Amino acid sequence: NAGVTQTPKFQVLKTGQSMTLQCAQDMNHNSMYWYRQDPGMGLRLIYYSASEGTTDKGEVPNGYNVSRLNKREFSLRLESAAPSQTSVYFCASSELVWGSANTGELFFGEGSRLTVL
Amino acid sequence: GENVEQHPSTLSVQEGDSAVIKCTYSDSASNYFPWYKQELGKGPQLIIDIRSNVGEKKDQRIAVTLNKTAKHFSLHITETQPEDSAVYFCAASIGYDMRFGAGTRLTVKP
Repeated sequence: NAGVTQTPKFQVLKTGQSMTLQCAQDMNHNSMYWYRQDPGMGLRLIYYSASEGTTDKGEVPNGYNVSRLNKREFSLRLESAAPSQTSVYFCASSELVWGSANTGELFFGEGSRLTVL
Repeated sequence: GENVEQHPSTLSVQEGDSAVIKCTYSDSASNYFPWYKQELGKGPQLIIDIRSNVGEKKDQRIAVTLNKTAKHFSLHITETQPEDSAVYFCAASIGYDMRFGAGTRLTVKP
């Protein structure tokens, strides 16, 4: 049981380049999330998808786009990378369904370390 | 939006001592308060959580307390062991929007 799988694990980009971070979960979870982690700032929510076919902005969405490809997969795209987007990116999933008693526990992948030069 | 503050940023204790990490939140509508542990090179993992209708929860050596009136919650680790060394994050959420504190690096010295 792999849980949440992210690719790639490491990536170096030049300013202005584009790339997509891929995420897949095998736990049949409804909701999926993208966070970025920066030193001294904890984890900040970029986008989330409450269910297949829906996406919503989080705390720091500027410069990013997302696609919920199906129930399993949620990708994060940087169209024109900037040095300020150098960070560790975490994908997570949850069985949370709005209005239900389901736990809000997030299951995280191992992270993708992105450097923008 | 919700703002979560976490203290201290670093904490060093001797093995066997207790460790306490404190968090405050700003939005009284937050109703779920998890704590995550992150080891080097890994994603965060849930260690304990509490819902807004509960004041205290315990799981072996770890416990969490919640004071809704004061909008703060705390993580207590007793009888600390070297394997407790990690970064700990508190969080507060309303529905899908979960906001995290900045983290506490806990070091347990043998």
